[in-house]
Amino acid sequence: KAGVTQTPRYLIKTRGQQVTLSCSPISGHRSVSWYQQTPGQGLQFLFEYFSETQRNKGNFPGRFSGRQFSNSRSEMNVSTLELGDSALYLCASSLQGQGANEKLFFGSGTQLSVL
Amino acid sequence: TQLLEQSPQFLSIQEGENLTVYCNSSSVFSSLQWYRQEPGEGPVLLVTVVTGGEVKKLKRLTFQFGDARKDSSLHITAAQPGDTGLYLCAGDHTGGFKTIFGAGTRLFVKA
Repeated sequence: KAGVTQTPRYLIKTRGQQVTLSCSPISGHRSVSWYQQTPGQGLQFLFEYFSETQRNKGNFPGRFSGRQFSNSRSEMNVSTLELGDSALYLCASSLQGQGANEKLFFGSGTQLSVL
Repeated sequence: TQLLEQSPQFLSIQEGENLTVYCNSSSVFSSLQWYRQEPGEGPVLLVTVVTGGEVKKLKRLTFQFGDARKDSSLHITAAQPGDTGLYLCAGDHTGGFKTIFGAGTRLFVKA
């Protein structure tokens, strides 16, 4: 069974640009969650999508958005990039979603650098 | 402020030593999970503890969930260089329906 796939692995952008990250969950998993990981803050929850609906959202500004397609693949978009957005962005998939003591399966992440 | 506080933040030890890392909160969790993350990779689940007072063993790793379900510990016996990594605790906050993470303990085991 293929694992969680995130693309691209690395991305370099400049301030003010926008970026789209992609996540393909494990086949059969309907939930995709996104996290931002920085050395000082650890993993911060961005949002979770389940069956194409955003089910939960963390405390991030509206510049961070996402969506999920009918095949469960998910994209995350960050507009008007700021230097502080530089981070490793991780997505995690699970069968039934968070809050159900579900095991989260993580991808290898997208390392975003904003110059 | 982290809802889950992990300590220590960084630990460097010699191969063969024992160590304990902690995950503490003032909130109650329906379950706590421990993950290990290696450089360039995403976190990988090690164990989930659900019942207050529960103890689980995974080879040389022993995980304990506090009686009040507010804290957990991970003890490693006879650490090996392969144990090097970032250890993260995570919890399903009661009623929150999202998994939140601590900032992690970065462990380095020297041969």
